[in-house]
Amino acid sequence: AQSVTQLDSQVPVFEEAPVELRCNYSSSVSVYLFWYVQYPNQGLQLLLKYLSGSTLVKGINGFEAEFNKSQTSFHLRKPSVHISDTAEYFCAVSFSYSSASKIIFGSGTRLSIRP
Amino acid sequence: EAGVVQSPRYKIIEKKQPVAFWCNPISGHNTLYWYRQNLGQGPELLIRYENEEAVDDSQLPKDRFSAERLKGVDSTLKIQPAELGDSAVYLCASSLALAGAGNEQFFGPGTRLTVL
Repeated sequence: AQSVTQLDSQVPVFEEAPVELRCNYSSSVSVYLFWYVQYPNQGLQLLLKYLSGSTLVKGINGFEAEFNKSQTSFHLRKPSVHISDTAEYFCAVSFSYSSASKIIFGSGTRLSIRP
Repeated sequence: EAGVVQSPRYKIIEKKQPVAFWCNPISGHNTLYWYRQNLGQGPELLIRYENEEAVDDSQLPKDRFSAERLKGVDSTLKIQPAELGDSAVYLCASSLALAGAGNEQFFGPGTRLTVL
């Protein structure tokens, strides 16, 4: 069965420090991968996505993620975080074997930035 | 460009009462999704529409939940009767085509439902 695992429910970091949010997926077929961000009391917003091609994907707000097929991972990174990055981050995967495929979201990682 | 609009933003009801949520997607988006997001969890798909047709409602609890998308534009999600376990945030999203094809889903702010 296909699944998405976000290993860390909460990640506290100091402002201007680097951060990595981990995401692993399970699938026997090709996948598309997404990271969404949810600020308090708002809907989800796309940060970046991997469809094909280069395994290093750059997104908005200085975030990037690397697709690693052998480790079935799609970890999100930022070299220097700001207070404004405080939010919940969701990894999501869709499976490209069918036109009727749907997105499955991970349980989320709450990123809290300390001044 | 206006984003996905949802109303109400918050709703508090007593159990066994009915409740309805409304969503207006981004203009031109033919695919519309309803998700439920429980506290501390990611969104879970309830139903997906392609235009006015519900093409995936396998996760919709049909004994108490219903949805419609008349004319293939805005949509309503209803719960009748509500149960305590229905307390959650209900998110609406839309996209130009199937998100499984790699297209971005655009989310509304959600409706936070509290059932007492």
